[in-house]
Amino acid sequence: EMQLVESGGGFVQPGGSLRLSCEASGVTFFNYWMSWVRQGPGKGLEWVANINEDGSEMFYADSVKGRFTISRDSAKKSIYLEMDSLRVEDTAVYYCSKGDKWGQGTLVAVSS
Amino acid sequence: SYELTQPDSVSVSPGETARITCSGDSLPKQYAYWFQQKAGQAPILIIYKDTERPSGIPERFSGSSSGTTVTLTISGVQAEDEADYYCQSADSNSSLEVFGGGTHLTVL
Repeated sequence: EMQLVESGGGFVQPGGSLRLSCEASGVTFFNYWMSWVRQGPGKGLEWVANINEDGSEMFYADSVKGRFTISRDSAKKSIYLEMDSLRVEDTAVYYCSKGDKWGQGTLVAVSS
Repeated sequence: SYELTQPDSVSVSPGETARITCSGDSLPKQYAYWFQQKAGQAPILIIYKDTERPSGIPERFSGSSSGTTVTLTISGVQAEDEADYYCQSADSNSSLEVFGGGTHLTVL
């Protein structure tokens, strides 16, 4: 059964950068649309970005467009989220999702 | 930007039927998905493509669609169903995904 494990979260100052990773296990192939979804403290789910099966198409929420970059390495069965120019409002738990499978999330805290 | 609208909260007694609505202009053209999230846990997919139920999800969970509104129905609500429920779909113009604001289900 597929499992997703996120990593790379942490504390960063406003304006800083972080790179999140999500690795899939329990699957032979990794040809799925994948998404990053975040949840701020006490808030609802917010879709952040997604990427198609071969990495040729990426879509972003307006709130992160131009600052975040989603990518994938199918050989490593992994997707990534490069986050630049981080803001206090980016503080959230970031989930990697295939839709029917979600990771447990990794916390990103942006504060001075 | 495109929005999906859900009620903030719904309350029912055990054994009753709970209905949670989600409204959005693109719903006639785009599938909706429903997720359940319990406190401190990752979301779980409970309905996909408006009405389909993944394996392992109890039959008391069902989905329906009518025009610009989709509905999650939980028949015979149990105490363990107390959770936050989110609908998700996409904007038919931009293809960008969006979540509803979430509905907290309280089992009285």
